[in-house]
Amino acid sequence: DAGITQSPRHKVTETGTPVTLRCHQTENHRYMYWYRQDPGHGLRLIHYSYGVKDTDKGEVSDGYSVSRSKTEDFLLTLESATSSQTSVYFCAISWSGQRNTEAFFGQGTRLTVV
Amino acid sequence: AQSVTQLGSHVSVSEGALVLLRCNYSSSVPPYLFWYVQYPNQGLQLLLKYTSAATLVKGINGFEAEFKKSETSFHLTKPSAHMSDAAEYFCAADFGNEKLTFGTGTRLTIIP
Repeated sequence: DAGITQSPRHKVTETGTPVTLRCHQTENHRYMYWYRQDPGHGLRLIHYSYGVKDTDKGEVSDGYSVSRSKTEDFLLTLESATSSQTSVYFCAISWSGQRNTEAFFGQGTRLTVV
Repeated sequence: AQSVTQLGSHVSVSEGALVLLRCNYSSSVPPYLFWYVQYPNQGLQLLLKYTSAATLVKGINGFEAEFKKSETSFHLTKPSAHMSDAAEYFCAADFGNEKLTFGTGTRLTIIP
């Protein structure tokens, strides 16, 4: 596996509480991505980063924010968790945004909002 | 709109039979295309990718895919299914905007 660590791997939280998921990489890749995986929807992009402090929204960014203060860390924050944010979250990294570049995925974080 | 469509959310084949998983894209310009596999409780790993160098692409574990521009397709095949192929498979496209767009996935079941 590429050097990608997601933490925590599992979390149960209550509606309305803030939650932060962490993605840590040891590959020095420039691009980092947060996806959510839901049955019937595949993987949908939440936010991505193309460098330190450089981020952009994906197709399902509402209710989420991100930060990247170091190359190796990309944080995803749910400011006030809702039940619709119950999902499996995957971090991915890529050394380049060029079209032929493979993305490597972390093991995922299963988040349950009750 | 640019999109990726996978026909069949569930596919079952007998062990030793041909595996065919379908993927079509919608785009005025052919994208770069990828197939990923996800085993239970794991992340995604790359099976193969099309980057315009050759239309028939061979990947890991005996899988291959053929890019057909006229059909806007990139179907995944394997001549003989093995029990270890049971997983979920995702087709993805890079439409040139620095990120991957995924299909909804196909769960492959192998019947002994």
